[in-house]
Amino acid sequence: DAMVIQNPRYQVTQFGKPVTLSCSQTLNHNVMYWYQQKSSQAPKLLFHYYDKDFNNEADTPDNFQSRRPNTSFCFLDIRSPGLGDAAMYLCATSRDPYYEQYFGPGTRLTVT
Amino acid sequence: AQSVTQLGSHVSVSEGALVLLRCNYSSSVPPYLFWYVQYPNQGLQLLLKYTTGATLVKGINGFEAEFKKSETSFHLTKPSAHMSDAAEYFCAVTILTGANNLFFGTGTRLTVIP
Repeated sequence: DAMVIQNPRYQVTQFGKPVTLSCSQTLNHNVMYWYQQKSSQAPKLLFHYYDKDFNNEADTPDNFQSRRPNTSFCFLDIRSPGLGDAAMYLCATSRDPYYEQYFGPGTRLTVT
Repeated sequence: AQSVTQLGSHVSVSEGALVLLRCNYSSSVPPYLFWYVQYPNQGLQLLLKYTTGATLVKGINGFEAEFKKSETSFHLTKPSAHMSDAAEYFCAVTILTGANNLFFGTGTRLTVIP
């Protein structure tokens, strides 16, 4: 089945230690999104790629970076995680902007 | 600017009872509207969407929603709740101009009482 895959599902990192979260898709969608979701809150968009075009949200901290080396893969890099970065990170894809988004299962990040 | 309001952060219904989750949106242009469901420690799954055309849309798992422009609403309903419907539900809106962001409501946690 076509899908959005996130690895790992659970990630523990130390305060200040860089961490990378991975997302891949078999849907061949043009747009890939990264969201941060904290407990009992709605997902918050961090940034998205429309093909190779990167779009950063204005309030996304510089500590968060992203790479999209090809259509299928997208990475979220947190350069120096703080305790406040502990959250569920969701990757989503859509065929084009304004179409429905398909979400991966998420990566739960714990910062110790 | 567009926004979404979900009335009731927690809703409880008995198994077999009607489910009604409320969503109102604000948008200066015709919106695209979505309902997503999220089970614990999972991603969001699309339940249904409204883009254009028929205002009553049917989704998965027996859910449906009706777009009412005059009321700026897109409420989610299901005639008979099942235990497996217990989850968090998010209403979301996007518009076809400007940034293509999906704006989420704050979510409604549905509890189904046996």
